[in-house]
Amino acid sequence: RKEVEQDPGPFNVPEGATVAFNCTYSNSASQSFFWYRQDCRKEPKLLMSVYSSGNEDGRFTAQLNRASQYISLLIRDSKLSDSATYLCAVNGGGGSNYKLTFGKGTLLTVNP
Amino acid sequence: NAGVTQTPKFRVLKTGQSMTLLCAQDMNHEYMYWYRQDPGMGLRLIHYSVGEGTTAKGEVPDGYNVSRLKKQNFLLGLESAAPSQTSVYFCASSYVSSGKIGQYFGPGTRLTVT
Repeated sequence: RKEVEQDPGPFNVPEGATVAFNCTYSNSASQSFFWYRQDCRKEPKLLMSVYSSGNEDGRFTAQLNRASQYISLLIRDSKLSDSATYLCAVNGGGGSNYKLTFGKGTLLTVNP
Repeated sequence: NAGVTQTPKFRVLKTGQSMTLLCAQDMNHEYMYWYRQDPGMGLRLIHYSVGEGTTAKGEVPDGYNVSRLKKQNFLLGLESAAPSQTSVYFCASSYVSSGKIGQYFGPGTRLTVT
């Protein structure tokens, strides 16, 4: 099992749709989980951090399931501006808690 | 705050040439990282540093060297560039405090080795 795996995508959805991405991780010692957004030819930018069961920020909700070792990102009422690649990241846990491992990303295109 | 900055933004090298990529951060973060991002491969950690004067190897360190002489700077060196090092290089810095982590990226350097 790869360390961090994401839905391969791409996802194409109409404006206003709800879309969900999943990410699984293999290191049971991981304690910190993140979703980053990366626009084309730009750097990844932190979207949400998840330390407990979940986190909500406006239209975005991240949920963590430790038992099944996955995190999800839900985007409600999709906007054209949500089109980007979404990266999941997981920390190493224990003595490597400052090191993040990233998934390969899922491309989302929101269509008018 | 400028955050994390990288120079240069673009560079073209010939095989065998050397170069240094500079990363600077003004957030007083202890941890700094160099990643490369290639299509279909995602972000891969090259080297990282947990503090001034310390460096460690990441997932793909071969062909690269790093130095962290000052807390705010993290340099990535390519001694003899190879076409396989054509990539987008991202520097990042992070804090770790009370179990919380915040990692922030620079704008990237697009390197082409011909």
